[in-house]
Amino acid sequence: NAGVTQTPKFQVLKTGQSMTLQCAQDMNHNSMYWYRQDPGMGLRLIYYSASEGTTDKGEVPNGYNVSRLNKREFSLRLESAAPSQTSVYFCASSVQGSNQPQHFGDGTRLSIL
Amino acid sequence: GQQVMQIPQYQHVQEGEDFTTYCNSSTTLSNIQWYKQRPGGHPVFLIQLVKSGEVKKQKRLTFQFGEAKKNSSLHITATQTTDVGTYFCAGSGGYQKVTFGTGTKLQVIP
Repeated sequence: NAGVTQTPKFQVLKTGQSMTLQCAQDMNHNSMYWYRQDPGMGLRLIYYSASEGTTDKGEVPNGYNVSRLNKREFSLRLESAAPSQTSVYFCASSVQGSNQPQHFGDGTRLSIL
Repeated sequence: GQQVMQIPQYQHVQEGEDFTTYCNSSTTLSNIQWYKQRPGGHPVFLIQLVKSGEVKKQKRLTFQFGEAKKNSSLHITATQTTDVGTYFCAGSGGYQKVTFGTGTKLQVIP
C-alpha cells in the first residue's frame, strides 16, 4: 500500500537550473497539495489542486509552477532554482479538501547551491 | 490572513513527565487537525476535532478544542521515548484554507 509517493528523495541543483518534483497517490483522493518545510517555520502551502483539472496558489507560490496531470499525479516545477528554495518539499493528498486528513509523502530534500 | 501560533517551540522532558503543546488561531476555526512528525520523517495525521469544547483521547494523548474554536491543545501523559518528534496543529477556516502551526519539537530524555 504505497499511499503518496514522491520522487526524487534527494536532489542538489545549481542556481538557475530547473527541475520537476513528482508526486503520485494511489488512494483515489481528489485533492493534492505541495508544501515546503523550513526550520522553525512549519509547513507552508505552495500550491494545491482541489480536484483533477484545477490548481490554485497557496501561501508561497512565487518561483514555482504545478501541473495536475491526472487524478493520481501532481508535479511541482522550479523553473530557475534559487538558494532560497532550499527546503524539504512534501506532497500530500486528501479525499476532498484540506479540512479533511491529509496523507503525506516521504518528502524531497532539495539543496540549491 | 489566518495565523496559527503554536507554543512552545521546543520542549525537553524526562521520560515519564507530562507534556502539553498549545495552538492558537487568529480566527475562528471550522476544525483543527493534529499531526506528528518523527525526526527525518513526514507528518502523520493523528486526529481531527470539529465541535466546540470537544475532547478526544488516544491512549496517553488527550486533544482538546476550545469553546470559542480558536485554540486547541495536545497533552501527553507519562511521556515515552517513542513520543519524540514534532507535533503540528493545522487549523481549517474553510474548505481549502488550512494553516499549519510552526510545531512543537518534543525531546524525551530517558
